[in-house]
Formats: sequence, C-alpha cells, structure tokens
Amino acid sequence: QQPVQSPQAVILREGEDAVINCSSSKALYSVHWYRQKHGEAPVFLMILLKGGEQKGHEKISASFNEKKQQSSLYLTASQLSYSGTYFCGTERIGRDDKIIFGKGTRLHILP
Amino acid sequence: DAGVIQSPRHEVTEMGQEVTLRCKPISGHDYLFWYRQTMMRGLELLIYFNNNVPIDDSGMPEDRFSAKMPNASFSTLKIQPSEPRDSAVYFCASTSPPPFVAGGSNEQFFGPGTRLTVL
Repeated sequence: QQPVQSPQAVILREGEDAVINCSSSKALYSVHWYRQKHGEAPVFLMILLKGGEQKGHEKISASFNEKKQQSSLYLTASQLSYSGTYFCGTERIGRDDKIIFGKGTRLHILP
Repeated sequence: DAGVIQSPRHEVTEMGQEVTLRCKPISGHDYLFWYRQTMMRGLELLIYFNNNVPIDDSGMPEDRFSAKMPNASFSTLKIQPSEPRDSAVYFCASTSPPPFVAGGSNEQFFGPGTRLTVL
C-alpha cells in the first residue's frame, strides 16, 4: 500500500521546472507532500484533500486527482534551495490518521 | 515551542545490546508516530499513538521492537536485542488533527531523528 513515486531522481539546472508524481492503488482521503534536506528531518510542504484541489507554496504547487488516486508536485523556476528529497504521503479513506510515505524523489538543482 | 525533541541524536552500539530511543512530542499534540528511514525502504511507519494509546503497530518489524507512551509528553522505542540490520535513522513525529468536518491540515512535525548504528 506504499504509494509509488516517479521519477526516483531528477537533476535540474536552476530556473528549470520539474514534476514529481505520486500514485496509490487505494482510495485516498488526502495526499501530503514533504521535503527533506540531507541530514535533516522531513518538513511539511502541503496537504491536498479529496476534491481535486490544487495548492501552492512559493513556486511549488500540487494537484490531486482522486479518481486516479494520483497527485503531482510542480516545481516552477527551481531554486538551489529546492534541492532535497521529496516524499508524498497518503492517507486512506476512513481517516485512520496514519500516513504512508513513498520512497521519495531526489531532486538536485545545479547552479 | 521547542518542537519535537529526540534523544540521543546518535547511538552506536554492538549487536545484542538493548537500545532505547526517546521522544518528547510538541505540547498539546495528541498523536505520536515512530518512523524508521533507510535508503532501501524509505520512511516506514513503525507505530503510532493517540492519547498515549497504541493504535497501530503493524509496522513494527518483529518482537525485538517495542514502544511505550507512559504519558502525553514522553515516548520510547526500544530494540532488544539489537541487530546490524536495525541500523537506520529513527524519527518521531507528532500532530494534532483537526475535527473531520473542518477538513484542515494535519501536518506532522518531525523531530531531528536518532541515527542508530549497530555494529
């Protein structure tokens, strides 16, 4: 039941855009996105609730397609500070209040 | 608030020894989660508590692992006996979800983690 993230790794030049995808085989209530820098704890970016909404955080936004049980994270005009590993976490319908995280997508931004 | 506090930050031990990891959640948070992170498996949920009561321990790898939450401000994760394959970073996180009808965020706040090395 672990969500699947793609791609596993991305290398970008500063200013380029990226999309990270997250898909689940289970009906979802919410999708969470976190970013983790090397040697640090994961930090919350945003949560999307079922309803297909889109959210934004600086130049980072995300969408949630509940019919397909998929979410995408969009990084626009990437900055050096965006480097890190991005995790999606999924919460199933029924709200058992636990989040199952994907294996992460490593993002490296080159100057 | 100081955030989620974990101790120790680093632990090196020998195979067969008992290891105890500690966590202090953010005051007022009624959910506490223990995660294990490795390169191979990513961020795995081991167990979580609600109001000090274990709700789901299906992620605990085996009987060598145990977790307790004796009160709202303290939790421990114990490994006895430890094995080299237990080497990982262990995170504790806490949250306080809003009522269902509010549809709000239940952001989890992670502690700095404990890096465990079992030789």
